[in-house]
Amino acid sequence: DTAVSQTPKYLVTQMGNDKSIKCEQNLGHDTMYWYKQDSKKFLKIMFSYNNKELIINETVPNRFSPKSPDKAHLNLHINSLELGDSAVYFCASSPKLGGADTQYFGPGTRLTVL
Amino acid sequence: ILNVEQSPQSLHVQEGDSTNFTCSFPSSNFYALHWYRWETAKSPEALFVMTLNGDEKKKGRISATLNTKEGYSYLYIKGSQPEDSATYLCAFKAGNTPLVFGKGTRLSVIA
Repeated sequence: DTAVSQTPKYLVTQMGNDKSIKCEQNLGHDTMYWYKQDSKKFLKIMFSYNNKELIINETVPNRFSPKSPDKAHLNLHINSLELGDSAVYFCASSPKLGGADTQYFGPGTRLTVL
Repeated sequence: ILNVEQSPQSLHVQEGDSTNFTCSFPSSNFYALHWYRWETAKSPEALFVMTLNGDEKKKGRISATLNTKEGYSYLYIKGSQPEDSATYLCAFKAGNTPLVFGKGTRLSVIA
């Protein structure tokens, strides 16, 4: 059983398009995250949700809109895609907000904007 | 801006060698230090979470130490095996802030 799953694994699209990446965790965790692995290979936090509520938004452009229909899902919608959005996006979850809990990562979605 | 530095950036060792690498982080407002193992084309997997100064954790041939006063953690691998080849990430958490990841140390173990 996959603990944290993301779809799609690869996404190639044209500039200006709108696309979504889905994330689901079956661990019963309260908190979910989106990370972006940038061109320098850093993993940077984008958003954090706790029980469907937005907790962290790390100065991400408004074109990125996360949505959490329930605490097991955190989807990422991106409007008007730009070349600079090309990256690998990782979803993660942890048992609760705060604390020193381990985060469990999904397999990543490689987004290429042409 | 919290800065997490890892060194070396990459490392090649022979099978059977022991090795170690460093994670440096701010020494103020420490909450937790995480180590993750990240194999190519897979997700990062947690190795250790350390919260107390002087903490030492061990999992098989891999161990880690923590010095929160001076802001560093070491990861040790004893008797490296080819399957240890991966990128090892550390991530620092201060207070209520999100995890801040270092760039990782890429380890290649040559058989």
